[in-house]
Formats: sequence, structure tokens, C-alpha cells
Amino acid sequence: RKEVEQDPGPFNVPEGATVAFNCTYSNSASQSFFWYRQDCRKEPKLLMSVYSSGNEDGRFTAQLNRASQYISLLIRDSKLSDSATYLCVVNQGGKLIFGQGTELSVKP
Amino acid sequence: GAVVSQHPSWVICKSGTSVKIECRSLDFQATTMFWYRQFPKQSLMLMATSNEGSKATYEQGVEKDKFLINHASLTLSTLTVTSAHPEDSSFYICSASAGGQPYEQYFGPGTRLTVT
Repeated sequence: RKEVEQDPGPFNVPEGATVAFNCTYSNSASQSFFWYRQDCRKEPKLLMSVYSSGNEDGRFTAQLNRASQYISLLIRDSKLSDSATYLCVVNQGGKLIFGQGTELSVKP
Repeated sequence: GAVVSQHPSWVICKSGTSVKIECRSLDFQATTMFWYRQFPKQSLMLMATSNEGSKATYEQGVEKDKFLINHASLTLSTLTVTSAHPEDSSFYICSASAGGQPYEQYFGPGTRLTVT
């Protein structure tokens, strides 16, 4: 079983759509959680941290459920520029463990 | 601030040769640097963690004699892929941390290695 698993994707959505990504992690001792964004052939960039209380940054909302070991990312009013691969990332003992990523393609 | 560079950005080499990739923190001192590898359509996989002045700690399954890591200064780490083979073709990304929270890693732009 992979340590961090994500929806397989790809997600193809029209502009303005709301899209949700899910992620599960296997190690209950994981300490902190993040969503990164990776554009094609580029390095990953931190999108946002994820907290149990839920957190929002503009059109992006992240949620963490420690009991279910589940993380989500919701993107509202998607833009063409949101097209990228979204990586679910977990901090385990100071190491970042990356999920496989879910590809999002936003079409006009 | 917190800029990390990598050089070269891409390299093509022949099978059997060695390739050195540099990772530099440009505006901060990196006490810890991390090396990742990413194959197409796959996740970033941590290869090794290096602390300045110490030997690198390799992840399970990563051959330390094949992937030589040197972190001789607080701003520079190098990864040398020795006797490269086509299966080593991948995207190699480094990240650097100034020693704050473990997740405060700043990523370099990556190096795309193709071994022919």
C-alpha cells in the first residue's frame, strides 16, 4: 500500500467548475500535511498547508480528517491557470512523502 | 528570498559516464538538503538527506555508491550519478532547508537527465 494515495485523475473540467481532490495516508503518526502544485516539467510549489480545523485561501479550501487519515482540496471557480498536477504531501518525521499527484486540466 | 538553483537544468549523457548535478541555496544557509527523483507520471521519491559536513542518509533502495552526495558547504550540495544507465533517466530535484520546520523546504527547478 502506498504511503500517500490520491485520486488517479486526470480531471478535465470547464472554467468556473468546482473540483475536489482526495488523498489518504497510511501512517497515523504523520505530523503535518500539505498540498503542492506542480506544473509540467517544473518543481513542486507549496500551495497550502492543511489543518484539522480546515483552512481556506481564496478559491482553495483544504480539510484534514486525522481519524480517517484523509485530506481534501477543493477548488472553486476554477481558472485556466489552475491546470497543473496537485500533489498531496505528508510530513513524516521530517521527511516529505509525496502522493502520485492528480492532474487537473481546466478547459475554456 | 529562499531561492534554490540547480545546474544543469538538463543533461544528456552516454551510458557508462558520470554526471554531476549542483544544488545551491542562493540567499540562505541550507543546513539540510534533500535529493528527490521523479519518473514520468510518478511521485517525487526522496533519495537522500544530507546535512552540511556529514555523510548523507540514503533512503532504502537507493545505492549510495551509485548516487554520490556531497554537502561540503552551507550553500552547495552535489549529486553525482556514477556510471549512468538509461534507467537512471529521470527528473532530479533538490530542496534545501534552513533548519526551521521540516516542511520548510525550498525546491530547486530540477535537472532532467537523459542517458542514451
